[in-house]
Amino acid sequence: QVQLQESGPGLVKPLQTLSLTCTVSGGSITSGHYYWSWIRQPAGKGLEWIGRVYSSGSTNYNPSLKNRVSISIDMSKNQFSLTLSSVTAADTAVYYCAREVLRYFDGGAWNWFDPWGQGTLVTVSS
Amino acid sequence: QSVLTQPPSASGTPGQRVTISCSGSNSNIGSNSVNWYQHLPGTAPKVLIYSNNQRPSGVPDRFSGSKSGTSASLAISGLQSEDEADYYCAAWDDSLNAHWVFGGGTKLTVL
Repeated sequence: QVQLQESGPGLVKPLQTLSLTCTVSGGSITSGHYYWSWIRQPAGKGLEWIGRVYSSGSTNYNPSLKNRVSISIDMSKNQFSLTLSSVTAADTAVYYCAREVLRYFDGGAWNWFDPWGQGTLVTVSS
Repeated sequence: QSVLTQPPSASGTPGQRVTISCSGSNSNIGSNSVNWYQHLPGTAPKVLIYSNNQRPSGVPDRFSGSKSGTSASLAISGLQSEDEADYYCAAWDDSLNAHWVFGGGTKLTVL
């Protein structure tokens, strides 16, 4: 059973770079048809997709964050990582990593997030 | 402000049936399938419904999903106290720079 675990600093200063890592256990990050995503949730607000990486290294990002975000994959460590530059208080949130499952059935392609990590709180403050 | 629109709250008594709506547009729900996630604070969100109406193994058949046009719904029948949680809809958006979009979430209270 695949499990994901986020790790990284819980406190980042304004205008610095936020860096988080998601460690995948119970399966290879390169096996199967999966994307690997980052999603965040500011306190009292809804979920926001940040971006994703495929095992080939190809990425997609939320247009609202595209200029500041980078997601990479490290197959040797079975991990993928997020960097978000020039952070402000608005970037304070619980950050989740998640696997995006791709399946083909009923004549179509279908995708959803499963499983998710437990989440890690990142606070941007001086 | 979320791209998909959900009511901020919903409620029901044990045994009742409740529905949660999710409204989008042609570029997201109108073109792609909808997934629903259940989130209990402090825990990892969990997929409840994928591909509009499919339940992962382990999810009770009390939960069902549907989609019509640019809207989707999650129905919970036989409401139980453990169903009290936040529920989010999500869909892929095909607009320029395609990306995932979520609803703002609906907090379900079991009275």
